[in-house]
Amino acid sequence: QQQVKQSPQSLIVQKGGISIINCAYENTAFDYFPWYQQFPGKGPALLIAIRPDVSEKKEGRFTISFNKSAKQFSLHIMDSQPGDSATYFCAAHRGSTLGRLYFGRGTQLTVWP
Amino acid sequence: EPEVTQTPSHQVTQMGQEVILRCVPISNHLYFYWYRQILGQKVEFLVSFYNNEISEKSEIFDDQFSVERPDGSNFTLKIRSTKLEDSAMYFCASSTGWPNYGYTFGSGTRLTVV
Repeated sequence: QQQVKQSPQSLIVQKGGISIINCAYENTAFDYFPWYQQFPGKGPALLIAIRPDVSEKKEGRFTISFNKSAKQFSLHIMDSQPGDSATYFCAAHRGSTLGRLYFGRGTQLTVWP
Repeated sequence: EPEVTQTPSHQVTQMGQEVILRCVPISNHLYFYWYRQILGQKVEFLVSFYNNEISEKSEIFDDQFSVERPDGSNFTLKIRSTKLEDSAMYFCASSTGWPNYGYTFGSGTRLTVV
């Protein structure tokens, strides 16, 4: 059973454009939703995260939009740059301190100059 | 910025051999994890560890796997008898716990079983 569903699998965006990646979840026990950026050969690096009591969080060019009733959340990358080309994973954390992260399948983002 | 350190970065081993993957979590973190990522696939949870014991493990973490915190800084993952399908990137992570969790991943160990 896939706890977190992510789309699209790959995304190509022109430099300066907006990249949008979507995720959906089923388990209402999730209490923390991070996005990770991963470059080839590296570990996932935390980009931005949100709690379900907040509908939007912005950090620089990165924004998470969260829709609790629809059980969906998305990452928006404004003014996308070639350096943003990476794989992005959404994740969800089950509501306990010792809970684990459930990852989406990832989105390969390519930003053309 | 504090980071999770993993060694070695790449390990090649023969099928049936034992391997130990090492991690040094962030010093003030109390919760430790191992995840793995088969090439091109999503990151999968293996095990979580707190207060010197396993708190949760996934169906992947069978009797061939074990974890240990042998001293105050290291956290290890042992695979007793490696199989070809154990080939993957193994990531160690540590966390501060609730409320912000502060989940931080290491750069990973690429394990290749031949």
